[in-house]
Amino acid sequence: DQQVKQNSPSLSVQEGRISILNCDYTNSMFDYFLWYKKYPAEGPTFLISISSIKDKNEDGRFTVFLNKSAKHLSLHIVPSQPGDSAVYFCAARSGSRLTFGEGTQLTVNP
Amino acid sequence: NAGVTQTPKFRVLKTGQSMTLLCAQDMNHEYMYWYRQDPGMGLRLIHYSVGEGTTAKGEVPDGYNVSRLKKQNFLLGLESAAPSQTSVYFCASSWAQDDALSPLHFGNGTRLTVT
Repeated sequence: DQQVKQNSPSLSVQEGRISILNCDYTNSMFDYFLWYKKYPAEGPTFLISISSIKDKNEDGRFTVFLNKSAKHLSLHIVPSQPGDSAVYFCAARSGSRLTFGEGTQLTVNP
Repeated sequence: NAGVTQTPKFRVLKTGQSMTLLCAQDMNHEYMYWYRQDPGMGLRLIHYSVGEGTTAKGEVPDGYNVSRLKKQNFLLGLESAAPSQTSVYFCASSWAQDDALSPLHFGNGTRLTVT
């Protein structure tokens, strides 16, 4: 039972445009959400997070939106840069347990 | 400051062989974790440790053992490798178990193939 799903395995956008990566979850007990970015041959690195008591968190070009009623999380990257090309994992916490999505490969074309 | 270092980077095993993956962190973190990443499955927690001398089972612990004899090291063992254990293994550490306080720091992974 995949409680955290990233339904788009891949996404391709033009440099300078907006990238929107989506994540859906089923467990209403999740109270904290994170995004990790992973380059090839490297481990994931923390990008941005949001608490369930908020609906938006910004950090520079990265904004995470949380829609609790829809159980939906999204990551917006504006403007997208070629260096943003990576696999993005969303993750959700319930208690001490962290559940990851399958990942979305983002490709930003120059 | 190396962060989290995993050895080896690659390994090929035959079914039934054993091996140990080593994870070392130099950030004085209390918490350490072993994950596996498989296509279409995301990252799944195998075992974790909340401090030196402690270990606990994660989501997919069967077929693996771990040890945390020193705070900076977390070892993952496969006693009798199976093809289903072909995966990329990531070690991670954090100074708190609360992700809001301390996101995970990952190593660069070990790609293991079991034939």
